[in-house]
Amino acid sequence: DGGITQSPKYLFRKEGQNVTLSCEQNLNHDAMYWYRQDPGQGLRLIYYSQIVNDFQKGDIAEGYSVSREKKESFPLTVTSAQKNPTAFYLCASSQDRNTEAFFGQGTRLTVV
Amino acid sequence: RKEVEQDPGPFNVPEGATVAFNCTYSNSASQSFFWYRQDCRKEPKLLMSVYSSGNEDGRFTAQLNRASQYISLLIRDSKLSDSATYLCVVKGGSSNTGKLIFGQGTTLQVKP
Repeated sequence: DGGITQSPKYLFRKEGQNVTLSCEQNLNHDAMYWYRQDPGQGLRLIYYSQIVNDFQKGDIAEGYSVSREKKESFPLTVTSAQKNPTAFYLCASSQDRNTEAFFGQGTRLTVV
Repeated sequence: RKEVEQDPGPFNVPEGATVAFNCTYSNSASQSFFWYRQDCRKEPKLLMSVYSSGNEDGRFTAQLNRASQYISLLIRDSKLSDSATYLCVVKGGSSNTGKLIFGQGTTLQVKP
């Protein structure tokens, strides 16, 4: 089946540890996105990438890092510099700059 | 000012009612417009794209007014299953970077 896969669905980490969230798509989409959603809040853009080996900061990039070494993969690292990392993280992809985006099922990260 | 603004609601309506959601966006260079639906603790799913000429999909009608930078979604004959958060999404902008910006969402609760 074609789609976007995020793993794991739930993730627990200790404070001060870096953690990497996986996002893979087999839709041959050029663009990929990472969002963060806090309870009762909207989606906030962390990073996005329109093409392999290139990415741009979103509105809340501090404390996060990404890479886009392959078209199908856009992993997000939550570093220890992120002050409040506990949240619902959503990855999305779209065919190009103008078309709709499709989402993975998300990863719920809890830092204790 | 937020780039995309929606009335968060909640909108509480009886089954069979007609309900309308509005959304405004600040960047006049925005290229593409969408409505997504998000159920509790799930990923957003595309409801429909929004075109300048307006478009309809069953009980749902979306309209775009570029001059006023305003997007609307009309739901007719509301069903219990329509209860969800509706997200207004704007894509593109200056230089058409493909940046995908979400409003904070409008919550709809349809009651028997």
